[in-house]
Amino acid sequence: KNQVEQSPQSLIILEGKNCTLQCNYTVSPFSNLRWYKQDTGRGPVSLTIMTFSENTKSNGRYTATLDADTKQSSLHITASQLSDSASYICVVTAGNTGKLIFGQGTTLQVKP
Amino acid sequence: KAGVTQTPRYLIKTRGQQVTLSCSPISGHRSVSWYQQTPGQGLQFLFEYFSETQRNKGNFPGRFSGRQFSNSRSEMNVSTLELGDSALYLCASSLDSGTGAKNIQYFGAGTRLSVL
Repeated sequence: KNQVEQSPQSLIILEGKNCTLQCNYTVSPFSNLRWYKQDTGRGPVSLTIMTFSENTKSNGRYTATLDADTKQSSLHITASQLSDSASYICVVTAGNTGKLIFGQGTTLQVKP
Repeated sequence: KAGVTQTPRYLIKTRGQQVTLSCSPISGHRSVSWYQQTPGQGLQFLFEYFSETQRNKGNFPGRFSGRQFSNSRSEMNVSTLELGDSALYLCASSLDSGTGAKNIQYFGAGTRLSVL
């Protein structure tokens, strides 16, 4: 069964610290993996999109990595800011159907 | 350039009623996708419209329907509302159809539907 599991479910860190969010998937065949940031009361915003051949992609202080062999991805946030407080959603696209499989998200809270 | 606009932002209905939600995509975008987001199920894909044709459909009952107009604006309709339909309904627009890596979706702020 195609699934996307994210961990941790929630995370609290202090401003200025780094953190890493995990995404494990069982989707096969694989097309691409996306990370979204969703602020409270807003729609998701795309952070990164990676295909099978890409293993790292950055967007400012956000760096996503992909290991297609182990079917794992991580999102690393450097020097966190209060505005990073949000839900982060990992989405994997199935290669044969184009179907999107969503993770449940990780809720990050950055405290001053 | 204006983003994706969803109206209304909030809606309260009672069981058995029907509701229509509206989505105006980014200018030039021809694809509109709809999603349901709930705390328990997370984000779930409803359907995608491209050039006024439904291209993909998720696993939702026939009470959920949609359409797209020639100007790419889209509407989603839910008939015979149930309590479980309470959710945030998100619309996303993109230039092209499908979920390829180069086709970035831009989301609206959503319509929060509460069914009493």
